[in-house]
Amino acid sequence: DAGVIQSPRHEVTEMGQEVTLRCKPISGHDYLFWYRQTMMRGLELLIYFNNNVPIDDSGMPEDRFSAKMPNASFSTLKIQPSEPRDSAVYFCASTRSTGEEKLFFGSGTQLSVL
Amino acid sequence: DAKTTQPPSMDCAEGRAANLPCNHSTISGNEYVYWYRQIHSQGPQYIIHGLKNNETNEMASLIITEDRKSSTLILPHATLRDTAVYYCIVRVSTGRRALTFGSGTRLQVQP
Repeated sequence: DAGVIQSPRHEVTEMGQEVTLRCKPISGHDYLFWYRQTMMRGLELLIYFNNNVPIDDSGMPEDRFSAKMPNASFSTLKIQPSEPRDSAVYFCASTRSTGEEKLFFGSGTQLSVL
Repeated sequence: DAKTTQPPSMDCAEGRAANLPCNHSTISGNEYVYWYRQIHSQGPQYIIHGLKNNETNEMASLIITEDRKSSTLILPHATLRDTAVYYCIVRVSTGRRALTFGSGTRLQVQP
């Protein structure tokens, strides 16, 4: 089991640029979550999907953020245009609706917007 | 989901038991207690969860008081690799699957 795979591991970009973060959940998991972590605000839930459908996006900061899940094995989180305050570590996690309720997290993407 | 209260930081000597407390006085009957930890620069990792009874696995033990208003995570023989932030989370087991993380307890295991 490869676990939750996120890419890139690090991203450095300039203000105003578009940023796309990618996530591959664990095979067979039907829930996918995007979290953001900063020193000031800790771990915040941005959005989560069930069977590729967004269920709760109330944590998405503003219209500059969008997330998609075109199929069960891939999701993207896009920021357009990016701003310095978006600098954070973005985590993707997945779990399944049956069996033990454990969230499995990826290694995160460290985003720096200059 | 019920609110939890944890001390911001704790120290523990290597090889000794680490006992991390969590208060969840507003917990309701259908809410579970979950523990996750986050080692520096990594994603959070599931440790253990329970409803009423004490639980033990290969990582830790979870002791839940009879009134369920508090719990303790026990790492029986802490190692330097257990240095991390430990999160206590309370939530129902059905419906919304997302977890809400608080600020956790930063455990420093000292050599």
